[in-house]
Amino acid sequence: EAGVAQSPRYKIIEKRQSVAFWCNPISGHATLYWYQQILGQGPKLLIQFQNNGVVDDSQLPKDRFSAERLKGVDSTLKIQPAKLEDSAVYLCASSRLAGEQFFGPGTRLTVL
Amino acid sequence: GNSVTQMEGPVTLSEEAFLTINCTYTATGYPSLFWYVQYPGEGLQLLLKATKADDKGSNKGFEATYRKETTSFHLEKGSVQVSDSAVYFCALSAPSYNTDKLIFGTGTRLQVFP
Repeated sequence: EAGVAQSPRYKIIEKRQSVAFWCNPISGHATLYWYQQILGQGPKLLIQFQNNGVVDDSQLPKDRFSAERLKGVDSTLKIQPAKLEDSAVYLCASSRLAGEQFFGPGTRLTVL
Repeated sequence: GNSVTQMEGPVTLSEEAFLTINCTYTATGYPSLFWYVQYPGEGLQLLLKATKADDKGSNKGFEATYRKETTSFHLEKGSVQVSDSAVYFCALSAPSYNTDKLIFGTGTRLQVFP
């Protein structure tokens, strides 16, 4: 089966600009996660969806980050406006209910 | 709160050497423990897991035992290969009423030379 797809793979923007990342989970996976991985650190959960409902967004900086999962399939993560400290790899993962999480290749964001 | 601490890298070994990467955790309740691997240019992959105390996870010659008394989940391999060069992440999941998120350590880079 196809894995988790993410695009773009790389993005370079200037601070205060906006950016959006897209994720297509594995077919049939109800749960979708967005993690942020800053260089030299482990991934940190930003938001978790179950179908199209938010389960946990306690670590999402809601003043600048937003995410949606329309129709319970694809998801988009947006940053507006971006700050220098948002430079990171953004990982999308999906799983069946309470199952193993499968990760996509990530989007590497550089904010100048 | 829940957290994972793993040894800093890089760990540099010669081929066929014995590998240990230390991992300890802090968690309430009974977490599941994981090792993920990230090969150069690729996404995170689950390497092995253990869901309860004294369980041993194993895969591709790697092993880790869930030790509740020492809150540890050290990764070991008897004979490493150049192809094992990657970044290894220890992680836990302590499911609560609303989330089964993974909490990761900072990662340990392994470099194996021929």
